Amino acid sequence: AQKVTQAQTEISVVEKEDVTLDCVYETRDTTYYLFWYKQPPSGELVFLIRRNSFDEQNEISGRYSWNFQKSTSSFNFTITASQVVDSAVYFCALSEHTGGFKTIFGAGTRLFVKA
Amino acid sequence: DVKVTQSSRYLVKRTGEKVFLECVQDMDHENMFWYRQDPGLGLRLIYFSYDVKMKEKGDIPEGYSVSREKKERFSLILESASTNQTSMYLCASSLGRLPQETQYFGPGTRLLVL
Repeated sequence: AQKVTQAQTEISVVEKEDVTLDCVYETRDTTYYLFWYKQPPSGELVFLIRRNSFDEQNEISGRYSWNFQKSTSSFNFTITASQVVDSAVYFCALSEHTGGFKTIFGAGTRLFVKA
Repeated sequence: DVKVTQSSRYLVKRTGEKVFLECVQDMDHENMFWYRQDPGLGLRLIYFSYDVKMKEKGDIPEGYSVSREKKERFSLILESASTNQTSMYLCASSLGRLPQETQYFGPGTRLLVL
Protein backbone atom coordinates (compact mmCIF):
# COMPACT_ATOMS: atom_id res chain seq x y z
CA ALA A 1 0.00 0.00 0.00
CA GLN A 2 1.16 3.52 -0.65
CA LYS A 3 1.98 5.82 2.20
CA VAL A 4 3.61 9.20 2.66
CA THR A 5 5.09 10.27 5.97
CA GLN A 6 6.02 13.81 6.88
CA ALA A 7 7.28 13.42 10.39
CA GLN A 8 7.75 17.13 11.04
CA THR A 9 4.43 18.66 12.01
CA GLU A 10 5.72 22.21 12.46
CA ILE A 11 9.06 23.88 11.91
CA SER A 12 9.96 27.38 12.99
CA VAL A 13 13.04 29.19 11.65
CA VAL A 14 14.38 32.69 11.52
CA GLU A 15 14.63 34.42 8.19
CA LYS A 16 17.74 33.53 6.15
CA GLU A 17 18.13 30.17 7.82
CA ASP A 18 18.15 27.04 5.66
CA VAL A 19 15.44 24.50 6.38
CA THR A 20 14.80 20.94 5.19
CA LEU A 21 11.39 19.34 5.08
CA ASP A 22 11.45 15.57 5.23
CA CYS A 23 9.31 13.17 3.21
CA VAL A 24 9.44 9.38 3.36
CA TYR A 25 7.25 7.25 1.15
CA GLU A 26 6.22 3.63 0.78
CA THR A 27 5.21 1.97 -2.45
CA ARG A 28 5.37 -1.42 -4.13
CA ASP A 29 5.34 0.01 -7.62
CA THR A 30 8.54 0.45 -9.56
CA THR A 31 7.01 3.36 -11.45
CA TYR A 32 5.71 6.18 -9.34
CA TYR A 33 5.67 9.95 -9.07
CA LEU A 34 6.48 12.22 -6.17
CA PHE A 35 5.22 15.75 -5.72
CA TRP A 36 5.61 18.72 -3.44
CA TYR A 37 2.82 21.26 -3.04
CA LYS A 38 2.78 24.51 -1.07
CA GLN A 39 -0.33 25.76 0.72
CA PRO A 40 0.02 29.43 1.70
CA PRO A 41 -2.42 31.04 4.15
CA SER A 42 -4.80 31.76 1.24
CA GLY A 43 -5.57 28.03 1.18
CA GLU A 44 -4.90 27.07 -2.41
CA LEU A 45 -2.32 24.32 -2.88
CA VAL A 46 0.30 25.24 -5.44
CA PHE A 47 2.36 22.69 -7.31
CA LEU A 48 6.12 22.96 -6.77
CA ILE A 49 7.75 19.91 -8.32
CA ARG A 50 7.21 16.41 -9.66
CA ARG A 51 9.79 13.61 -9.95
CA ASN A 52 9.35 10.18 -11.46
CA SER A 53 10.91 7.10 -9.91
CA PHE A 54 13.48 6.72 -12.65
CA ASP A 55 14.94 10.17 -12.26
CA GLU A 56 17.04 10.46 -9.12
CA GLN A 57 18.77 13.65 -10.10
CA ASN A 58 18.46 16.36 -7.55
CA GLU A 59 16.66 19.47 -8.64
CA ILE A 60 17.34 23.09 -7.84
CA SER A 61 15.02 25.97 -8.55
CA GLY A 62 16.21 29.23 -7.10
CA ARG A 63 16.24 28.89 -3.32
CA TYR A 64 14.42 25.55 -3.49
CA SER A 65 16.11 22.19 -3.92
CA TRP A 66 14.92 18.61 -3.76
CA ASN A 67 16.87 15.49 -2.84
CA PHE A 68 15.35 12.24 -4.11
CA GLN A 69 16.93 9.06 -2.75
CA LYS A 70 15.33 5.75 -3.69
CA SER A 71 17.64 3.84 -1.36
CA THR A 72 16.01 5.51 1.64
CA SER A 73 12.60 6.15 0.00
CA SER A 74 12.94 9.83 0.70
CA PHE A 75 12.16 13.00 -1.21
CA ASN A 76 13.33 15.89 0.93
CA PHE A 77 12.83 19.56 0.23
CA THR A 78 15.29 22.26 1.25
CA ILE A 79 14.70 25.99 1.29
CA THR A 80 17.90 27.99 1.34
CA ALA A 81 17.95 31.43 2.94
CA SER A 82 14.31 31.21 3.98
CA GLN A 83 12.02 34.21 3.71
CA VAL A 84 8.83 35.17 5.49
CA VAL A 85 6.91 34.47 2.26
CA ASP A 86 7.95 30.83 2.55
CA SER A 87 5.66 30.45 5.56
CA ALA A 88 3.09 27.87 4.49
CA VAL A 89 2.07 24.26 4.84
CA TYR A 90 4.04 21.98 2.54
CA PHE A 91 2.69 18.65 1.35
CA CYS A 92 4.58 15.75 -0.11
CA ALA A 93 2.51 13.41 -2.30
CA LEU A 94 2.81 10.11 -4.17
CA SER A 95 1.05 8.66 -7.21
CA GLU A 96 1.63 5.12 -8.32
CA HIS A 97 1.59 3.99 -11.93
CA THR A 98 -0.95 1.33 -11.03
CA GLY A 99 -2.90 3.63 -8.76
CA GLY A 100 -4.85 5.37 -11.47
CA PHE A 101 -5.78 8.87 -10.57
CA LYS A 102 -5.26 8.60 -6.86
CA THR A 103 -2.61 10.69 -5.20
CA ILE A 104 -1.73 10.09 -1.57
CA PHE A 105 -0.73 13.15 0.43
CA GLY A 106 1.34 13.33 3.55
CA ALA A 107 0.02 15.08 6.64
CA GLY A 108 1.92 18.24 5.75
CA THR A 109 4.59 20.29 7.48
CA ARG A 110 3.75 23.80 8.64
CA LEU A 111 6.71 26.12 8.22
CA PHE A 112 6.94 29.39 10.13
CA VAL A 113 9.61 31.81 9.02
CA LYS A 114 10.08 34.67 11.45
CA ALA A 115 11.51 38.01 10.45
CA ASP B 1 -3.49 29.66 -16.21
CA VAL B 2 -5.75 26.99 -14.83
CA LYS B 3 -8.36 28.32 -12.52
CA VAL B 4 -10.34 26.25 -10.07
CA THR B 5 -13.03 28.11 -8.19
CA GLN B 6 -15.14 27.02 -5.26
CA SER B 7 -18.50 28.55 -4.55
CA SER B 8 -17.83 29.58 -0.95
CA ARG B 9 -14.79 30.25 1.19
CA TYR B 10 -16.68 29.82 4.45
CA LEU B 11 -19.93 28.06 5.27
CA VAL B 12 -21.80 27.56 8.52
CA LYS B 13 -24.52 24.92 8.52
CA ARG B 14 -26.63 23.13 11.09
CA THR B 15 -26.62 19.41 11.79
CA GLY B 16 -28.98 17.59 9.43
CA GLU B 17 -28.90 20.22 6.70
CA LYS B 18 -28.18 19.27 3.11
CA VAL B 19 -25.03 21.02 1.96
CA PHE B 20 -23.82 21.64 -1.57
CA LEU B 21 -20.23 22.55 -2.34
CA GLU B 22 -19.60 23.61 -5.92
CA CYS B 23 -16.38 23.52 -7.88
CA VAL B 24 -15.71 24.83 -11.37
CA GLN B 25 -12.58 24.54 -13.48
CA ASP B 26 -11.97 26.46 -16.67
CA MET B 27 -9.32 24.41 -18.48
CA ASP B 28 -11.27 21.48 -19.88
CA HIS B 29 -9.66 19.04 -17.45
CA GLU B 30 -10.80 15.43 -17.51
CA ASN B 31 -10.41 14.70 -13.81
CA MET B 32 -11.85 16.41 -10.80
CA PHE B 33 -11.37 15.60 -7.14
CA TRP B 34 -12.81 16.41 -3.75
CA TYR B 35 -10.58 16.22 -0.69
CA ARG B 36 -11.03 17.11 2.92
CA GLN B 37 -8.15 18.51 4.91
CA ASP B 38 -7.88 18.01 8.65
CA PRO B 39 -4.97 18.86 10.95
CA GLY B 40 -2.52 15.99 11.24
CA LEU B 41 -4.27 13.99 8.54
CA GLY B 42 -3.30 15.88 5.41
CA LEU B 43 -5.59 15.63 2.41
CA ARG B 44 -7.91 12.68 2.14
CA LEU B 45 -9.72 11.85 -1.06
CA ILE B 46 -13.50 11.76 -0.81
CA TYR B 47 -14.54 11.23 -4.43
CA PHE B 48 -13.14 11.80 -7.87
CA SER B 49 -14.52 11.90 -11.37
CA TYR B 50 -12.72 11.14 -14.62
CA ASP B 51 -15.55 12.07 -16.95
CA VAL B 52 -18.99 13.60 -17.04
CA LYS B 53 -21.47 11.52 -15.02
CA MET B 54 -18.65 9.23 -13.87
CA LYS B 55 -17.56 9.04 -10.26
CA GLU B 56 -15.34 6.89 -8.12
CA LYS B 57 -15.16 6.60 -4.37
CA GLY B 58 -12.03 7.76 -2.70
CA ASP B 59 -10.81 6.80 0.74
CA ILE B 60 -13.53 8.43 2.84
CA PRO B 61 -16.80 8.58 0.83
CA GLU B 62 -19.18 7.84 3.69
CA GLY B 63 -21.66 10.63 4.26
CA TYR B 64 -20.93 12.29 0.94
CA SER B 65 -22.13 12.09 -2.64
CA VAL B 66 -21.05 13.88 -5.80
CA SER B 67 -22.45 15.04 -9.08
CA ARG B 68 -20.77 15.83 -12.37
CA GLU B 69 -23.33 16.82 -14.97
CA LYS B 70 -20.96 19.05 -16.92
CA LYS B 71 -17.27 18.61 -17.52
CA GLU B 72 -16.30 21.83 -15.81
CA ARG B 73 -18.39 21.40 -12.67
CA PHE B 74 -18.07 18.93 -9.82
CA SER B 75 -20.36 19.16 -6.82
CA LEU B 76 -19.92 17.64 -3.40
CA ILE B 77 -23.11 16.95 -1.44
CA LEU B 78 -23.46 16.32 2.25
CA GLU B 79 -26.89 14.71 2.43
CA SER B 80 -27.30 15.31 6.16
CA ALA B 81 -24.46 17.32 7.62
CA SER B 82 -22.94 16.16 10.87
CA THR B 83 -20.48 17.86 13.20
CA ASN B 84 -17.71 15.44 12.23
CA GLN B 85 -17.91 16.85 8.72
CA THR B 86 -16.59 20.17 9.94
CA SER B 87 -13.46 20.53 7.86
CA MET B 88 -11.69 22.28 5.02
CA TYR B 89 -12.85 20.98 1.64
CA LEU B 90 -10.56 21.27 -1.35
CA CYS B 91 -11.46 20.73 -4.97
CA ALA B 92 -8.84 19.91 -7.59
CA SER B 93 -8.63 19.09 -11.26
CA SER B 94 -6.07 17.49 -13.54
CA LEU B 95 -5.74 17.31 -17.27
CA GLY B 96 -5.56 13.64 -18.21
CA ARG B 97 -5.80 10.12 -16.89
CA LEU B 98 -2.19 9.63 -15.95
CA PRO B 99 -0.76 9.31 -12.45
CA GLN B 100 1.88 11.93 -13.14
CA GLU B 101 -0.62 14.66 -13.82
CA THR B 102 -0.32 17.75 -11.68
CA GLN B 103 -3.42 18.65 -9.74
CA TYR B 104 -4.67 22.22 -9.64
CA PHE B 105 -6.50 23.24 -6.51
CA GLY B 106 -9.20 25.68 -5.60
CA PRO B 107 -8.92 27.96 -2.55
CA GLY B 108 -10.95 25.64 -0.35
CA THR B 109 -14.22 25.89 1.53
CA ARG B 110 -14.05 25.93 5.30
CA LEU B 111 -17.24 24.28 6.53
CA LEU B 112 -18.47 24.50 10.11
CA VAL B 113 -21.36 22.25 11.09
CA LEU B 114 -23.06 23.25 14.32
